[in-house]
Amino acid sequence: DSGVTQTPKHLITATGQRVTLRCSPRSGDLSVYWYQQSLDQGLQFLIQYYNGEERAKGNILERFSAQQFPDLHSELNLSSLELGDSALYFCASSVAQETQYFGPGTRLLVL
Amino acid sequence: GQQLNQSPQSMFIQEGEDVSMNCTSSSIFNTWLWYKQDPGEGPVLLIALYKAGELTSNGRLTAQFGITRKDSFLNISASIPSDVGIYFCAGQRETGTASKLTFGTGTRLQVTL
Repeated sequence: DSGVTQTPKHLITATGQRVTLRCSPRSGDLSVYWYQQSLDQGLQFLIQYYNGEERAKGNILERFSAQQFPDLHSELNLSSLELGDSALYFCASSVAQETQYFGPGTRLLVL
Repeated sequence: GQQLNQSPQSMFIQEGEDVSMNCTSSSIFNTWLWYKQDPGEGPVLLIALYKAGELTSNGRLTAQFGITRKDSFLNISASIPSDVGIYFCAGQRETGTASKLTFGTGTRLQVTL
């Protein structure tokens, strides 16, 4: 158990819909990261927040957005969903920019 | 998005054999990390390397940070069935509090009895 929690574990929705994925970092960690892993693919970095502010951005679509709240939990919002957005979405956390620890993931299926 | 070149793509070995895998990049990283991922689970950190040339062990696992800072190697000795999974390397770059991991394409390991 990494100490990073993600909800929900599974999510099934339809194209065009909007979903919100939630992540709680390890106690004391200020940085939160989001990654996407499509079927049989490696992990792609989406975005990093540090203490409430965006710090680094990867290949995140404009339809996706994220935020980190004062209690340090983070949400990833995915809108206008397409079939290709079906993937595992992982959250990771670290103290600042040190080693990242991953949560169990949210499996998103868009039908 | 960018991914690091990781090889081999998959390995089928017998229990007790040693395993080697490597990861290469066209650019330099400050930190190299090795993760293991079981099906449907999040990646679990195995070893972190912070200095060029560093050799670090964690039980039966040994990893090295390449001297050029563009590659890394992972060895698993005397493999056991629970070693089955996908192994990912990751290179990390930090700038202040910003950090980004670039992952390798993964090595799928199967261990037969």
